[in-house]
Amino acid sequence: GNSVTQMEGPVTLSEEAFLTINCTYTATGYPSLFWYVQYPGEGLQLLLKATKADDKGSNKGFEATYRKETTSFHLEKGSVQVSDSAVYFCALGAGLGNEKLTFGTGTRLTIIP
Amino acid sequence: GAVVSQHPSRVICKSGTSVKIECRSLDFQATTMFWYRQFPKKSLMLMATSNEGSKATYEQGVEKDKFLINHASLTLSTLTVTSAHPEDSSFYICSAIEPALGSDTQYFGPGTRLTVL
Repeated sequence: GNSVTQMEGPVTLSEEAFLTINCTYTATGYPSLFWYVQYPGEGLQLLLKATKADDKGSNKGFEATYRKETTSFHLEKGSVQVSDSAVYFCALGAGLGNEKLTFGTGTRLTIIP
Repeated sequence: GAVVSQHPSRVICKSGTSVKIECRSLDFQATTMFWYRQFPKKSLMLMATSNEGSKATYEQGVEKDKFLINHASLTLSTLTVTSAHPEDSSFYICSAIEPALGSDTQYFGPGTRLTVL
């Protein structure tokens, strides 16, 4: 079946540091890939997505590239801010009209000034 | 943007009682909603898919008689935890699909923290 393996946290970085959160997946077919973010006290929000190989999703300075050859969708940001502190979830959608999502375990990110 | 609300945000109940959690899409009609359960420091586990006007589809290992789901309208789905026990204590999250934005993007509610004493 489908699965998502995500870098375990927590991750603590200083402001303006470079961020990478690793995510790899196992899936059949042609899945879509997502990063969701959960800020303290709020629900999950879609951060970015990519629907096919070599697509790059980007939003709010975050980027992730759908790499089929390495089955990866790593999240990156060049310069993090305190406001980026949150829990980040990598997720996989089965595609082909199947809207079910399979989530990774989440990575708690804390940015210190 | 697409907003999903949940009510209540927190509930504490005694063992053996039933609890109803509501999930509403506030500014769009959602033909499909999902219910998840999130364990501490763990990922979201999909419990069931709720389609308006039809029976919910439950994931393997989820007891349909314990977790009753009703999707009576295009903006409301409810999850009822029947005869709750302490092991049902968890964070329950719903999501909905905004059809106009494509079927592969889910919008999540803020979650409901259930504590069973």
